Amino acid sequence: GNSVTQMEGPVTLSEEAFLTINCTYTATGYPSLFWYVQYPGEGLQLLLKATKADDKGSNKGFEATYRKETTSFHLEKGSVQVSDSAVYFCALRGRYGNKLVFGAGTILRVKS
Amino acid sequence: DAGITQSPRHKVTETGTPVTLRCHQTENHRYMYWYRQDPGHGLRLIHYSYGVKDTDKGEVSDGYSVSRSKTEDFLLTLESATSSQTSVYFCAISALDNEQYFGPGTRLTVT
Repeated sequence: GNSVTQMEGPVTLSEEAFLTINCTYTATGYPSLFWYVQYPGEGLQLLLKATKADDKGSNKGFEATYRKETTSFHLEKGSVQVSDSAVYFCALRGRYGNKLVFGAGTILRVKS
Repeated sequence: DAGITQSPRHKVTETGTPVTLRCHQTENHRYMYWYRQDPGHGLRLIHYSYGVKDTDKGEVSDGYSVSRSKTEDFLLTLESATSSQTSVYFCAISALDNEQYFGPGTRLTVT
């Protein structure tokens, strides 16, 4: 079945540091890939998405590229801020159907 | 923000009691979902609905039932709550082939 594996956290960075959160997936066919962010005490918000190989999703300075050859969708940001502290979830939606499969989530803590 | 509300937002209940959580949307989306969030597991799908009176099981459906009598409301029921059902429950909605939008969550504690 479909599955998503994320790097374990928490990830602790200083402000303005470079961020990478690794995400790899297993799926049949060609899934759509997503990054969601959850700020403390809130629900999940869609951060970015990519629907086919080599697509790059981007939003709020975050980027992720859909790499079919390595089955990866790593999240990157060039310069993190304290306000980026949150839990980040990688997810996939299979080729057919609307159901999402989530990774375990990665806690990001940014220090000033 | 997508128009999704969940009620209650917090609930403490005793083992063996029935509990119903409500999700209400104002977006008229066809699909609605219930997830639970637990540390180390991310979000796991409990049940989902693809239309009024049309529901199906997700990966962790044991001990839960759902109902959808109107487009805007999706109810999750724990017939007899257990401590293993202590969790944060999220509702989500989507249109066909579109991303899911999440509600604010309900924190349920079963003592």
